[in-house]
Amino acid sequence: GDSVTQMEGPVTLSEEAFLTINCTYTATGYPSLFWYVQYPGEGLQLLLKATKADDKGSNKGFEATYRKETTSFHLEKGSVQVSDSAVYFCASGTYKYIFGTGTRLKVLA
Amino acid sequence: NAGVTQTPKFQVLKTGQSMTLQCAQDMNHEYMSWYRQDPGMGLRLIHYSVGAGITDQGEVPNGYNVSRSTTEDFPLRLLSAAPSQTSVYFCASSYSIGGNEQFFGPGTRLTVL
Repeated sequence: GDSVTQMEGPVTLSEEAFLTINCTYTATGYPSLFWYVQYPGEGLQLLLKATKADDKGSNKGFEATYRKETTSFHLEKGSVQVSDSAVYFCASGTYKYIFGTGTRLKVLA
Repeated sequence: NAGVTQTPKFQVLKTGQSMTLQCAQDMNHEYMSWYRQDPGMGLRLIHYSVGAGITDQGEVPNGYNVSRSTTEDFPLRLLSAAPSQTSVYFCASSYSIGGNEQFFGPGTRLTVL
């Protein structure tokens, strides 16, 4: 069945460091792909999305490109801030949504 | 718009008790779903609905019932609570299934003793 695999955390970085969180998917169709962010004590909120191959989603300095050939949707940010500390979820959506297990990011000042 | 609302925010049950987690959205979304979030497991889909009167099972449906009598409301019923159902529960909605953003409620933290 469909699945989403993302890198294990936690990831600890210093402020202004480069961030990559890997995400790969398996799907029988052509899913839309999402990154959601969850801050402590809150629900998930959409960070960015891409709906077809080679699309790039971007928001708040975060980017991810839909790579059909490698079935990947890696999240990147060039310079992280303390306020980016949160849990990040990769997800795919076709006839239902599938979430990865989440990656906790901690950014140190 | 209130978005997606969930009640209660916290709940403690004893084994064998039943309860209903409430979820409502005011965005006229067709698709609604319930997830549970457990450490190291991410979000797992319990039940979902693609419109009023239509529901289907997700990945972990056992021990839970749902119904969708209106577009706005999608309650989740625990029939006989078990400690394994201790979790954080999220309700979500979207305009339709697949390529659309899901909007999440703030969650219900449930503890079953």
